[in-house]
Amino acid sequence: DVKVTQSSRYLVKRTGEKVFLECVQDMDHENMFWYRQDPGLGLRLIYFSYDVKMKEKGDIPEGYSVSREKKERFSLILESASTNQTSMYLCASKMGQYNSPLHFGNGTRLTVT
Amino acid sequence: DAKTTQPNSMESNEEEPVHLPCNHSTISGTDYIHWYRQLPSQGPEYVIHGLTSNVNNRMASLAIAEDRKSSTLILHRATLRDAAVYYCILRDDGVGDDKIIFGKGTRLHILP
Repeated sequence: DVKVTQSSRYLVKRTGEKVFLECVQDMDHENMFWYRQDPGLGLRLIYFSYDVKMKEKGDIPEGYSVSREKKERFSLILESASTNQTSMYLCASKMGQYNSPLHFGNGTRLTVT
Repeated sequence: DAKTTQPNSMESNEEEPVHLPCNHSTISGTDYIHWYRQLPSQGPEYVIHGLTSNVNNRMASLAIAEDRKSSTLILHRATLRDAAVYYCILRDDGVGDDKIIFGKGTRLHILP
């Protein structure tokens, strides 16, 4: 089975801190994604990557950046965390072929105080 | 991007079939219809996908309207473990960057 591992299940950070959310997949998938999930808003795409060192903006990239130095790892970076970035963050990966299914991690619940 | 519309929530009785609807009136010829579900405290998981024909797998069935403007996910015999949020999304087979957008989904409640 594909495993997508997010480094922390729960994280509490202070406003203004630089925050790193890490995601690792073990199936050599080409594509990786970061979403955030908020009540009433569903899943919203922040950034995605279809290859090492490649990144594309999703629908809500403001306030975030990403890094993909190795194929298996996709990091989401909050340069200066703010309280409106308190959310559930979900990482996903998939094979490069069209229509291959997404595999999600179990999420990181980030609280910014 | 073509969008989907789903009811916010639905209820069903345990051990009865459940039909979850999805409207996608602006679907293009190359869009596949995908369904995912998200159990409590977990990330979403893939359920099924199809293009034109109805599809079956061990989890569910997907019925696609002849004009492809709507589809229905069918759970043949709901259990309490099927209580989840179900997402219907469109994936364009012709797009290389594969930007995958989810909506708000349908929250399914199963009554014992």
